[in-house]
Amino acid sequence: QAGLTQPPSVSQGLGQIATLTCTGNSDNIANQGATWLQHHQGHPPKLLLYRNAIRPSGISARLSASTSGKTASLTITGLQAEDEADYYCSVWDNSLSNWVFGGGTKLTVL
Amino acid sequence: EVQLVESGGGLVQPGGSLRLSCAASGFNFNNYWMHWVRQAPGKGLVWVSHINGDGTITNYADSVKGRFTISRDNTKNILYLQMNNLTAADTAVYFCAGAFDFWGQGTMVSVSS
Repeated sequence: QAGLTQPPSVSQGLGQIATLTCTGNSDNIANQGATWLQHHQGHPPKLLLYRNAIRPSGISARLSASTSGKTASLTITGLQAEDEADYYCSVWDNSLSNWVFGGGTKLTVL
Repeated sequence: EVQLVESGGGLVQPGGSLRLSCAASGFNFNNYWMHWVRQAPGKGLVWVSHINGDGTITNYADSVKGRFTISRDNTKNILYLQMNNLTAADTAVYFCAGAFDFWGQGTMVSVSS
């Protein structure tokens, strides 16, 4: 089953900018924005951005998302300690008629 | 306050069955696509299945197709996942989610002899 590719880990310093990427294909990422989730182990996942654009209430404006071709990106500015978590991208795949998830990126804030 | 509370997890032998439930409150359940997402120990989140608001559209991941059945009871605000012919690969925490906006705490399913 086709999925989305995310780097396993990203590290950046406190107050810096982190950009997390998610690569798919023409049946998923390329024709719609990615949905991004944050997951602190032991807690339920949290929706950060829906299809790149829709930010639920309470989600920080430090988070933004974009898509270029088959790659979606989540950018977090002004990194804080509580941003340290696992981040997942997901998207509806038209050819599979499935939601697909990336493998997740562990963000470490140094 | 929005709440999703999963139940029904536990230890089951390979080839066995379980039915998970997810009780929803605090939002208009009927209007939401509902999902099951799982996380195996030490692994990432994996989408399992979803169902539309009136229960007429369902989709499944290939790994569970033909073995799992998602359903909902909009009169009781409950989402279900019937899991049959379970294997060790199905061992995971199972989360229910409302359109990915709302998430439960998860219920653990362990498949082992």
